[in-house]
Formats: sequence, structure tokens, C-alpha cells
Amino acid sequence: AIQMTQSPSSLSASVGDRVSITCRASQYIRNDLGWYQQKPGKAPKLLIFAASSLQGGVPSRFSGSGSGTDFTLTISSLQPEDFATYYCLQDYDYPRTFGQGTKVEI
Amino acid sequence: EVQLVESGGGLVQPGGSLRLSCEASGFTFSSNWMHWVRQAPGKGLEWVANIKQDGSEKRYVDSVKGRFTISRDNAKNSLYLQMNSLRAEDSAVYYCARDRDILLTNAWYDAFDIWGQGTMVTVSS
Repeated sequence: AIQMTQSPSSLSASVGDRVSITCRASQYIRNDLGWYQQKPGKAPKLLIFAASSLQGGVPSRFSGSGSGTDFTLTISSLQPEDFATYYCLQDYDYPRTFGQGTKVEI
Repeated sequence: EVQLVESGGGLVQPGGSLRLSCEASGFTFSSNWMHWVRQAPGKGLEWVANIKQDGSEKRYVDSVKGRFTISRDNAKNSLYLQMNSLRAEDSAVYYCARDRDILLTNAWYDAFDIWGQGTMVTVSS
């Protein structure tokens, strides 16, 4: 199975900060990668698909980049509602695999 | 309103069985691949299984192969997960998710765009 390694596992930031989270695949996955946000007690929410395409209704401060094995989720100016855990998910091969998550805290 | 609603979770003894359901509304259920994803308490997300629109293709994570069966009834707008031989490590919140399956520049991409609220499964004696 393809392993997805996210870093960091957690980070502390302030409102207005630029934040980047990386996800590295154990093998080539083209750009078959999505990013999801999850808040405590809630279902995940799709932010980005195909590595860099923004899901409808998601604020433009979220962006994704990368292809091959290395990917980045960037939040250009962190807002209070962005404090959550973020996961990458590869959809290149089966089984689908998530990164271990990155918790963004104040 | 587009939504997915899971049900069927609960407490079950090791070795027991449980059947989860996910009822879809607000969209054409038969047009989408569907997935089950789980999350153990305090842990990350784990993809469990998916099923094609007509039920002709199914995939599973290795840890549930031979024990779990995904199925769907398009006439009832419902997705199911039959879980047998349950183990303590199967304890988790189970989410169903719709796959938007997007075509971009001649390639298909998964996008789990709609999720249910989750149903808790606890395997314990």
C-alpha cells in the first residue's frame, strides 16, 4: 500500500499566519491527491482535489500544489475557523490511504 | 438538501456482526461510487471500502477483506457495510462518503465531497 506521510503532525499558529502542510507519498501518485479538513466531532470536509483544484465553496485562502510524490496544502492567512486537523488522501491506487493528519492549533 | 445519514452502529462483542446503513438523499445515488471510511477514537482516518455505481466493482482495505462486505441498493438510495467477525480494532466511527469522481484533463479523480455524520461501532466484551 502507498504510504502517505504528513508533516508536521501538529503546528501552532496565529490568526493571519501563512501555514503550509506537506504530504509525501511513498511512490509516484501523479496528482491524485486530495486535502480534507476535520473539526472535532465532525465529518471531514473536502478542500482540494487533484492536488490543486479548489472544491466549490472553499475559501480561496486554501491552495494545493505538487505532483508525483510531494504535495503541499497552504493556508495563506489563517482564520479562526481554520483551526482543525488536515488530512491528505491519495486516490492513485488501492487501497486509498490517508496521511496521519496535521493538527493546526493556536 | 444533499445528505448522507448513517445508522446501525452500536456495541457488539468480539466475533459478532453488525450491518451499517447509509441513506442518501438530494442527489442521484446511482450515479456515484460510494465509500466507507472509519476513524478509531483519537486516531486518523482510514479508508475501508468502496463500490461502483452498479455494484459490479468493490475494493477493500486488507484488514477487512473476507470479513466486511460493501453493498448498495440503488432503488432504496442506500449503501451498506456488513461487518462480520468483528475485532476490538474495528471500533471506530464509520463514515459513508460520496465520490464525486471528477474528470479533469482526461484523467479521473476521486473527491469525497459529501460525508455522513458517522455512526459509532464499539467492539468490546
